[in-house]
Amino acid sequence: ETGVTQTPRHLVMGMTNKKSLKCEQHLGHNAMYWYKQSAKKPLELMFVYNFKEQTENNSVPSRFSPECPNSSHLFLHLHTLQPEDSALYLCASSQEGLGYNEQFFGPGTRLTVL
Amino acid sequence: EDKVVQSPLSLVVHEGDTVTLNCSYEVTNFRSLLWYKQEKKAPTFLFMLTSSGIEKKSGRLSSILDKKELSSILNITATQTGDSAIYLCAVDDDDYKLSFGAGTTVTVRA
Repeated sequence: ETGVTQTPRHLVMGMTNKKSLKCEQHLGHNAMYWYKQSAKKPLELMFVYNFKEQTENNSVPSRFSPECPNSSHLFLHLHTLQPEDSALYLCASSQEGLGYNEQFFGPGTRLTVL
Repeated sequence: EDKVVQSPLSLVVHEGDTVTLNCSYEVTNFRSLLWYKQEKKAPTFLFMLTSSGIEKKSGRLSSILDKKELSSILNITATQTGDSAIYLCAVDDDDYKLSFGAGTTVTVRA
C-alpha cells in the first residue's frame, strides 16, 4: 500500500457516458498529478495541482476535466471520450518544497472506452 | 523539450543473470533522476540520484548517475522471477515535473 488510492480500479464506458476517476492520498502531500499510461509509451503528464491550484495542463483535451477540492483529493471527470483514450490512468502525489520531487503513485484505473 | 530515453525496450533473462538497464536524458535544468519499478499497476520508487548522490545500492539493485554523459544505469544482480517488471526512469527538471522514459520490460525466466 503506497498511501495513494484510486477508484475505480477498472472502468468500461461508452463514448457518450460521463464518469469520474477518484484519487486520494494519505501522505500529507501538497501536490497531486494525473498521468496517462498507454502501452509502450512514456507516462504522459496530464495535470498538476500544487496546493489545490492547477499549475500544469499539458494540452489535454477538454473531455478530461480535473478537480482538486483539497490537497488530499483529486478527481478526473470524463465525458464523450474516444476509444484512443483507453489507457491506464495513474494518480501521484509528492511534497513540494523539499528540493526534490519523489512522487508516490496510486494503483491506477484501467479505462476502456468502447 | 525534455527527453528521456531508456534502453533496451525489453529483455528476457534467466534467474541468476545480471541485467543492466540504461537511461539517457536531455533536460533543461537537471535536478534528479528517479528509477521506479512497475509490476502490475502502481510504479514503486527504487532510487533517486542527484548531483550529491550519484550512486545508490539496495540489496541486489544498484544505480549510478553519470552527469557528464547525461545517463544512468540500473543494475540487478542474481535476478529472480520477482524482478520481472517494467523499470521506469524519470528525470526531475527543477520544475516539479517528472519526464518519464518509455520503460524497460524485464522478464526473468525460472
